[in-house]
Amino acid sequence: GNSVTQMEGPVTLSEEAFLTINCTYTATGYPSLFWYVQYPGEGLQLLLKATKADDKGSNKGFEATYRKETTSFHLEKGSVQVSDSAVYFCALSANQAGTALIFGKGTTLSVSS
Amino acid sequence: EPEVTQTPSHQVTQMGQEVILRCVPISNHLYFYWYRQILGQKVEFLVSFYNNEISEKSEIFDDQFSVERPDGSNFTLKIRSTKLEDSAMYFCASSPQTASYGYTFGSGTRLTVV
Repeated sequence: GNSVTQMEGPVTLSEEAFLTINCTYTATGYPSLFWYVQYPGEGLQLLLKATKADDKGSNKGFEATYRKETTSFHLEKGSVQVSDSAVYFCALSANQAGTALIFGKGTTLSVSS
Repeated sequence: EPEVTQTPSHQVTQMGQEVILRCVPISNHLYFYWYRQILGQKVEFLVSFYNNEISEKSEIFDDQFSVERPDGSNFTLKIRSTKLEDSAMYFCASSPQTASYGYTFGSGTRLTVV
């Protein structure tokens, strides 16, 4: 079945450091891939997405590239801020309307000034 | 920007009681979902709903759970007889016709069973 594996957290960084959160997936066919972010006490917000191989999703300085050859969708940001502290979830959906979104376990990012 | 609205934000209930969690999905979305997140754990799919019927459900969604779209706007999750292990954050989500557009989540209902 479909699944998502994320790197274990927590990830602790200083402000302006480079961020990478690894995400790999297992899926049949050609899924769409997503990163969601959950700030403390809040719901899940879509951060970025990619719907086909080699697509790059980007938002708020975050980027992730859909790599079919390595089945990966790693999240990167060149310079993190304290306000980026949150839990980040990688997720996939089979490219079929109405199918369940499958989440990874989430990676907690803590950025200090 | 359109949003998914969930009420209440926090619900405390006695074990064995019935609870109903409410959601108002985005008006032009066609698919509706419930997920749950037990504290500190992963977000788990419960059920998806389309055209007034369940289209997919997980093993978690047993006979204690039911969903309903009682009118044109609300989407509810009912837990018939709550257990301590039902304590979690419950998220409603909706999506348009095409899955690749992504899913919009509500801010969640924290259910505490005591």
